[in-house]
Amino acid sequence: DAKTTQPTSMDCAEGRAANLPCNHSTISGNEYVYWYRQIHSQGPQYIIHGLKNNETNEMASLIITEDRKSSTLILPHATLRDTAVYYCIVRVAYGKLTFGQGTILTVHP
Amino acid sequence: EAGVAQSPRYKIIEKRQSVAFWCNPISGHATLYWYQQILGQGPKLLIQFQNNGVVDDSQLPKDRFSAERLKGVDSTLKIQPAKLEDSAVYLCASSLEGGANYGYTFGSGTRLTVV
Repeated sequence: DAKTTQPTSMDCAEGRAANLPCNHSTISGNEYVYWYRQIHSQGPQYIIHGLKNNETNEMASLIITEDRKSSTLILPHATLRDTAVYYCIVRVAYGKLTFGQGTILTVHP
Repeated sequence: EAGVAQSPRYKIIEKRQSVAFWCNPISGHATLYWYQQILGQGPKLLIQFQNNGVVDDSQLPKDRFSAERLKGVDSTLKIQPAKLEDSAVYLCASSLEGGANYGYTFGSGTRLTVV
């Protein structure tokens, strides 16, 4: 599976949009981009995934660049409960889910 | 639907002792995973089951770790004997069909401290 690069940490003000970047320059054509988050003392939680097109669900939006070498997870109105570690993962459809270090997002009042 | 259940929530043991963790996946989920998460790191896959067969155990330290999934439902992960470096959170996850669409659903984990 392709590797990803994420910033170690980010801050965001409550109520503002949180934009978390991810670089996956070696992604293959059949690899999806997945985002998970892990709130303290809980297991990772699925957020969203996509292949080529931008995706949106009730939790977030995923923007994938046209060349697919990077993506951005957008939390449109961050709340204090969105403080967590966010993992960007690329994998083939039935491949292993391999976690990196992730981005620590801290949402401030 | 009920989530992935794990027990115990916490466990403290001395090195060289043995310990076992239990996982009950979401009903109907054929694929089950055990991950190890050391403090400050992302989870690392230890073993993957498809029904009651092992799909991938390449990262499982087989000299001390063992896992089974009898009848393709519940699973247990055992460590014998434990070492200090086994201190971690052990996460169980399950998925439909290898998690192609919605990925995996994780339990809250068992926090193991080896002293």
